[in-house]
Amino acid sequence: NAGVTQTPKFQVLKTGQSMTLQCAQDMNHEYMSWYRQDPGMGLRLIHYSVGAGITDQGEVPNGYNVSRSTTEDFPLRLLSAAPSQTSVYFCASRPGTGVYGTEAFFGQGTRLTVV
Amino acid sequence: KQEVTQIPAALSVPEGENLVLNCSFTDSAIYNLQWFRQDPGKGLTSLLLIQSSQREQTSGRLNASLDKSSGRSTLYIAASQPGDSATYLCAVSWSNYQLIWGAGTKLIIKP
Repeated sequence: NAGVTQTPKFQVLKTGQSMTLQCAQDMNHEYMSWYRQDPGMGLRLIHYSVGAGITDQGEVPNGYNVSRSTTEDFPLRLLSAAPSQTSVYFCASRPGTGVYGTEAFFGQGTRLTVV
Repeated sequence: KQEVTQIPAALSVPEGENLVLNCSFTDSAIYNLQWFRQDPGKGLTSLLLIQSSQREQTSGRLNASLDKSSGRSTLYIAASQPGDSATYLCAVSWSNYQLIWGAGTKLIIKP
């Protein structure tokens, strides 16, 4: 049972480059989300999805795009990387609509450095 | 605003001691609260999930309690070991689409 899988685990980008962080889950969860973790702060929500074709912004969405074409996949795109996007990124999934108080499951994280 | 606070930011105790980590939150109308462990440079390991209707959950040497009326949760670690050294994170759900996180408590267990 793979759970939530994120790729890559590490990435170095130059300022202005674009890239996509991949996230896939095999638990048929409706809700998926992306967080970033910065030193000394709690994780912050970037974007989330409540099902295929439905996405919305979280607390810190600027500079990031998402799409959800399938239940399983929720990629995060950095359009033009900036040093301020250096962070650790976590993808999460949980059962969704109609089910309250469910546990969130997390991928192993992607450590991104923008130089 | 819904916020989660963890105090202290760091804690160092001798091996074998029992210890308590604290998490406080605004707004008692939570769905649930999760405690996570994070080792340096690693991902998030879910330790315990407490539903809004529950008062506590136990797993091995770990016990988490929830008091919604006071906006507090505690994580009790019994007979601490050096392998318990990590950062412990508290995350609260007020909806199904988002967790609000504390900044964590870095725990060091001295042999």
